[in-house]
Amino acid sequence: GAVVSQHPSWVICKSGTSVKIECRSLDFQATTMFWYRQFPKQSLMLMATSNEGSKATYEQGVEKDKFLINHASLTLSTLTVTSAHPEDSSFYICSAHSDSGNTIYFGEGSWLTVV
Amino acid sequence: GDSVTQMEGPVTLSEEAFLTINCTYTATGYPSLFWYVQYPGEGLQLLLKATKADDKGSNKGFEATYRKETTSFHLEKGSVQVSDSAVYFCGIGGTSYGKLTFGQGTILTVHP
Repeated sequence: GAVVSQHPSWVICKSGTSVKIECRSLDFQATTMFWYRQFPKQSLMLMATSNEGSKATYEQGVEKDKFLINHASLTLSTLTVTSAHPEDSSFYICSAHSDSGNTIYFGEGSWLTVV
Repeated sequence: GDSVTQMEGPVTLSEEAFLTINCTYTATGYPSLFWYVQYPGEGLQLLLKATKADDKGSNKGFEATYRKETTSFHLEKGSVQVSDSAVYFCGIGGTSYGKLTFGQGTILTVHP
């Protein structure tokens, strides 16, 4: 079964609104989680590293004010796409680094469509 | 920065055919190398990995060998099954274990 749960799997929102995606580790604690984005027929691109209890570290070119990341507990990180636009439509996937096992687990991914 | 070049797909094979998906990389230092698989409607799952030169990762009949001299990590399977139909991603990881750089993914479809 899934060890990292991502919710929602599919979401459609209107331009200008904000949408939150959750990434939850189910059986382990994860001080560090990662958010990736995938455009059609392209690779997964790392957006940011989410650190529990501190600010996220964003990759070059990723707008931190647009993609808000909160890692409030050792089992939950959230990605909020603020003031969404159609070009934000994409597949977003998270991964969690198990603190105890030095292993990475990925979520199922979330499809965001902005209309 | 690090980069991964992966064989473009889609790849379509008949059951029991031999599979090769090429993957080459550029990186500083000596990264760990991974193959992940994504089945329809599911998240990425680690298929196999290798952490140093000449290591061979293997799982579920799939194999890949860490070739430092050619900076490659090609995925192979001798006899594919319909259930192997999925998207395969080659990835490399540096000193920050969880931070991975991926190739663009290869869609594999296996027909009965």
